[in-house]
Amino acid sequence: SQTIHQWPATLVQPVGSPLSLECTVEGTSNPNLYWYRQAAGRGLQLLFYSVGIGQISSEVPQNLSASRPQDRQFILSSKKLLLSDSGFYLCAWRRRLGETQYFGPGTRLLVL
Amino acid sequence: AQSVTQPDIHITVSEGASLELRCNYSYGATPYLFWYVQSPGQGLQLLLKYFSGDTLVQGIKGFEAEFKRSQSSFNLRKPSVHWSDAAEYFCAVGANAGGTSYGKLTFGQGTILTVHP
Repeated sequence: SQTIHQWPATLVQPVGSPLSLECTVEGTSNPNLYWYRQAAGRGLQLLFYSVGIGQISSEVPQNLSASRPQDRQFILSSKKLLLSDSGFYLCAWRRRLGETQYFGPGTRLLVL
Repeated sequence: AQSVTQPDIHITVSEGASLELRCNYSYGATPYLFWYVQSPGQGLQLLLKYFSGDTLVQGIKGFEAEFKRSQSSFNLRKPSVHWSDAAEYFCAVGANAGGTSYGKLTFGQGTILTVHP
């Protein structure tokens, strides 16, 4: 069976510090991968998606970037965090020709 | 562009009462529709999905949803709510995997369900 992991689970960072959130998927190959941000009361916003190693598409201009160094690894980064980067970050995967996205447990980021 | 509207931000029901959460979508072709549930501080769990065929779909935890093309709706229902159903519910619309959308989903803003004992 497939599982998706995210870490850390919770992170408190000062404004201006760097960020690295990791997402890994087990039990499948060549998945599509997605990063979402969920701000309080604002639903889910798609940030990035990837259809393969090194292939990243950005949905919204922002202070964040994403990378996919390995087939089942998806990383969300920032060089300098802003207060507005606070939120709940969710990673999801989908089979290449599937329809359903499956979500990880999320990372709670608080920027102070 | 596709969009999803969940008109009710917050719904409160009594345990044992019936439930209906509304979802309206805008999409240019036959959509793929999903309902997810999120408990506080957790990821999203898939409740059910509609791709084609029977417009009444059954999901986990006793939930069902009905696709009504004429109304562009995909409302979620449960005949008898349990206290453990208290959570936030998200409706989402997506395109088929063979298209150029790369399976991206558009989510509604969510409906928070409170269950009174």
